[in-house]
Amino acid sequence: EAQVTQNPRYLITVTGKKLTVTCSQNMNHEYMSWYRQDPGLGLRQIYYSMNVEVTDKGDVPEGYKVSRKEKRNFPLILESPSPNQTSLYFCASGNAGVWYEQYFGPGTRLTVT
Amino acid sequence: GIQVEQSPPDLILQEGANSTLRCNFSDSVNNLQWFHQNPWGQLINLFYIPSGTKQNGRLSATTVATERYSLLYISSSQTTDSGVYFCAVGMDSNYQLIWGAGTKLIIKP
Repeated sequence: EAQVTQNPRYLITVTGKKLTVTCSQNMNHEYMSWYRQDPGLGLRQIYYSMNVEVTDKGDVPEGYKVSRKEKRNFPLILESPSPNQTSLYFCASGNAGVWYEQYFGPGTRLTVT
Repeated sequence: GIQVEQSPPDLILQEGANSTLRCNFSDSVNNLQWFHQNPWGQLINLFYIPSGTKQNGRLSATTVATERYSLLYISSSQTTDSGVYFCAVGMDSNYQLIWGAGTKLIIKP
């Protein structure tokens, strides 16, 4: 089954404790992206990647890191999480030529206390 | 940057009713999409429609790029249509979408 998976689905952590949210897709997509969703704001892009070792900043990259060492994986790293990073996070993937036809993961709800 | 406004922010309808959701955007774009987020949080592409009209079953969308707006029509609403509908716009060349705040639709049985 074609899918985008994220882990964990729910995470409660404390300020400053490094964490990684994993994202994996099995569709051989070149394009992958991370978004955060906050109430009343819609989705905002954090980082995106057009291929292995190619990443670029979205609208709200501060406080986040990503890496793309393999085509299928695109982890989101929070080196020192803060309460303002409490949010719902989505990973998405798509084919390079039609990157906008994105398949979304189920979401990761992160709470930073 | 591009601003995206969706209206209405909330809409409550009875099953069987028709609805029109609107998306206004502030600058020229060559990418416009409509998404549905169901009550469990799953996001699904509905339409890629930078211009013109498309239909998919009970849903259709129209974008008038020269006037910078798009409309999503839902006919004969069903409870499964409930959720949040997002409009997102951008330029294909920069691989980014700017999302509106969404319209929350509740369909009552």
